[in-house]
Formats: sequence, C-alpha cells, structure tokens
Amino acid sequence: QVQLQQSGPGLVKASQTLSLTCAISGDSVSIQRGGWNWIRQSPSRGLEWLGRTYYNSKWYSDYAVSVKSRMTINTDTSKNQFSLQLDSLTPEDTAVYYCARGWLRGYFDLWGRGTLVTVSS
Amino acid sequence: QSALTQPPSASGSPGQSVTISCTGTSSDVGAYNYVSWYQQHPGKAPKLLIYDVSQRPSGVPDRFSGSKSGNTASLIISGLQAEDEAHYYCSSHAGSNYCLFGGGTKLTVL
Repeated sequence: QVQLQQSGPGLVKASQTLSLTCAISGDSVSIQRGGWNWIRQSPSRGLEWLGRTYYNSKWYSDYAVSVKSRMTINTDTSKNQFSLQLDSLTPEDTAVYYCARGWLRGYFDLWGRGTLVTVSS
Repeated sequence: QSALTQPPSASGSPGQSVTISCTGTSSDVGAYNYVSWYQQHPGKAPKLLIYDVSQRPSGVPDRFSGSKSGNTASLIISGLQAEDEAHYYCSSHAGSNYCLFGGGTKLTVL
C-alpha cells in the first residue's frame, strides 16, 4: 500500500523559511510519472498547486508562477522522500500543505494527510 | 491564470442526481481532455474521483461520472447518498502552469 508521510513544523514566523518533508512508502521517488507534488489549501486561495519534481533521465522541477521565485523542491533518493522549501514567508502563506503523487495529465491519485502551517507576524 | 469557476454550493435529496459544473478557458479545460475531480470531507485530504474527464479510479462507485463540453466540465452524481455530502473540486491540466483547481462546491444532501 502506497503512503505519503508528511513532517514539518506547524508554526513559523514571517520572513523565515518553511521546510516540509514527504516520505514515500510503497513507491519510488525516482519512478518516471507525473512527479511528486506540493499543493496547499487555504480559505482565501482554495487549492493551489505549488510545484513538482520528477525524474526523466535527470531531475526536473516545475513551480507555480506565484511561488517560483522563493520555492525549492529537493529529493533524497536514499531516504525515498522529497521536500519543500518556501522562503520569505508572509501570513498569506498560512495554509494546509499537502504532498501528492501526480500523473502526467495533471491529476493526483495519492495525497498525504496535510500539514497545517501557520505563519505568525 | 485564474482558478476554474465552480458554483459555491449545490444540493439534492437522497436518490436524486446532481450536476456540478466547472468552467475554464480555451487554455485549460477547453484545450485538454485532462479534467479531474476530487471529493473532500472535512479535515481530510482530497480524494480523486474522476480523471481524464470521465475515467474513474478503481474503487470509486459508478454513481460518479464526468463529462466535458467546450470550456466546461461537469461532475454528475447519481443516486445521491448521505455520505456524498462534501466539498468537490475540479482541476485541469493547464499547459506550462501544469494544473489549475476550481474554487470548490459544497454539496449538501437534504
């Protein structure tokens, strides 16, 4: 059974960096597919795709325009996990953050349980 | 790119059918047959219901179906049940921006 286990802080201060990790069991971060994704959800912005990483002979990352300048997704193949780093946080980044397995045609069939992240000013 | 447009709410009685629309543009919904739908109960992660406009993942009841015409996709739920009360979100592949979501529809089973 494939599972995604999220970890990371629930409270961070404005201007600091958010780091979240998603550990994969039952699948491999290196398998070519639609990638491993980060998605967030807030009352003001709804569901918002943030970015993905995928392997296709080499590693690639794509990011939403809204976060491209301050977001990085990394992979750790030895631990079979991927991580999100979001810099220069503001209260607007307060949301539930999900990791998810994606497919090339833009859908997500497996989601982590979500991490509520509150950015305090 | 703006989010896809969904009605904020929908309702129906048990046993009835309900349709939830999702309107995009010729750059997303209209451009690709890659619309997906998700069901989300309070405090839970979204669950994939439909992908590629009308395909159901294993385990999803055939009461859930999807369709698309032009820039508008639809989720149809037939034989409404109490446990169908949830939020429903559409999503579409959007080219270089990869994925756009709708604002969500809260379904109430009367």
